[in-house]
Amino acid sequence: AQSVTQLGSHVSVSEGALVLLRCNYSSSVPPYLFWYVQYPNQGLQLLLKYTSAATLVKGINGFEAEFKKSETSFHLTKPSAHMSDAAEYFCAVSEGGNTPLVFGKGTRLSVIA
Amino acid sequence: EAGVAQSPRYKIIEKRQSVAFWCNPISGHATLYWYQQILGQGPKLLIQFQNNGVVDDSQLPKDRFSAERLKGVDSTLKIQPAKLEDSAVYLCASTLGTGHGYTFGSGTRLTVV
Repeated sequence: AQSVTQLGSHVSVSEGALVLLRCNYSSSVPPYLFWYVQYPNQGLQLLLKYTSAATLVKGINGFEAEFKKSETSFHLTKPSAHMSDAAEYFCAVSEGGNTPLVFGKGTRLSVIA
Repeated sequence: EAGVAQSPRYKIIEKRQSVAFWCNPISGHATLYWYQQILGQGPKLLIQFQNNGVVDDSQLPKDRFSAERLKGVDSTLKIQPAKLEDSAVYLCASTLGTGHGYTFGSGTRLTVV
């Protein structure tokens, strides 16, 4: 069965600094991988997805993630953090077909002025 | 396009009472999911529908939770009787297919006192 591990329940960065949120997955088949963002009292919004095309995936709001099969990782990065990036971020994996998404426990990103 | 609609946004009930949540997915999305998100955790799948049929309800506590999706469109999730540990946000999501990612509603925040 697929699973996701997000390293670090809370990450704090200064405004303008690099954002790096870590995600490692487990899957018995080539996975579909996703990053979602959740702002307070809101649902989850899709940031980006990997579905077996290019390994470097660009998403909304300047975020990108790189699929590394050898490391079973799908880390999320953004070159320069903005105050509006403060939110909860979730990595998710699916084995495709009709298999539902399995989510990690989330990483809360704080951005310090 | 219109998003996934959920109601109510907030609900407070006493333990042993019953409660129902409603979800209207994006038009044309055949697959609908209910997830439970306990504070500080990632969403956990409760049930998956394909049109009006159940695909996966293995994690639904069937002694107290029930869900239906009439006519393959709207869905309701019911809890009867509620327990304190049911306090969570209940998220509805729909999709054309896993590779497209899911669109989530804003969720219903349930507090059981």
